[in-house]
Amino acid sequence: SQQGEEDPQALSIQEGENATMNCSYKTSINNLQWYRQNSGRGLVHLILIRSNEREKHSGRLRVTLDTSKKSSSLLITASRAADTASYFCATDAKAAGNKLTFGGGTRVLVKP
Amino acid sequence: GAGVSQSPSNKVTEKGKDVELRCDPISGHTALYWYRQSLGQGLEFLIYFQGNSAPDKSGLPSDRFSAERTGGSVSTLTIQRTQQEDSAVYLCASSRRQFNTDTQYFGPGTRLTVL
Repeated sequence: SQQGEEDPQALSIQEGENATMNCSYKTSINNLQWYRQNSGRGLVHLILIRSNEREKHSGRLRVTLDTSKKSSSLLITASRAADTASYFCATDAKAAGNKLTFGGGTRVLVKP
Repeated sequence: GAGVSQSPSNKVTEKGKDVELRCDPISGHTALYWYRQSLGQGLEFLIYFQGNSAPDKSGLPSDRFSAERTGGSVSTLTIQRTQQEDSAVYLCASSRRQFNTDTQYFGPGTRLTVL
């Protein structure tokens, strides 16, 4: 099974609304990253949050991390049609060596 | 400078044939990663390189898969005797160093279809 699992699998919202997606993982991590993927091709790095951080902001993105619950959330505020994409969390687990483990992703559709 | 490039962008092959996928990382990036993504799924780690060596090959699905990197730059992923279940998008990424605090920059991927 995957280290990181996103919830929900798919999300449909109106432009201007906020989008929230969650990532749960199983083992202790060094850090957690969020990536965006458009059209099933290359991924773009959004934000990295370290295990000793609880919240991080980048523009309209807000990421939280709760290591006691082994979960993270990504919030996109004031969504735009251009935010339509798949969003993946990736964990750098202490036990996994020097590699990232990606979850299955959340597909977000922002309707104009 | 240029980002990560991959070639070909699409490859259609017949079952049983060998294929080679190429990745050109960002210049100066020492770490290079290969992932596989099946339709609608997350990324599956295959292998990563630090320089020309591959410390972790644990993700390669079978001995039909191999990868090499030469000159600390270009990498090729070879799939021998392709099977239909090999159909997927193969993504390459590079980062400045091997440490996972470094951002991985992804290429556009190669979409492989095995008929």
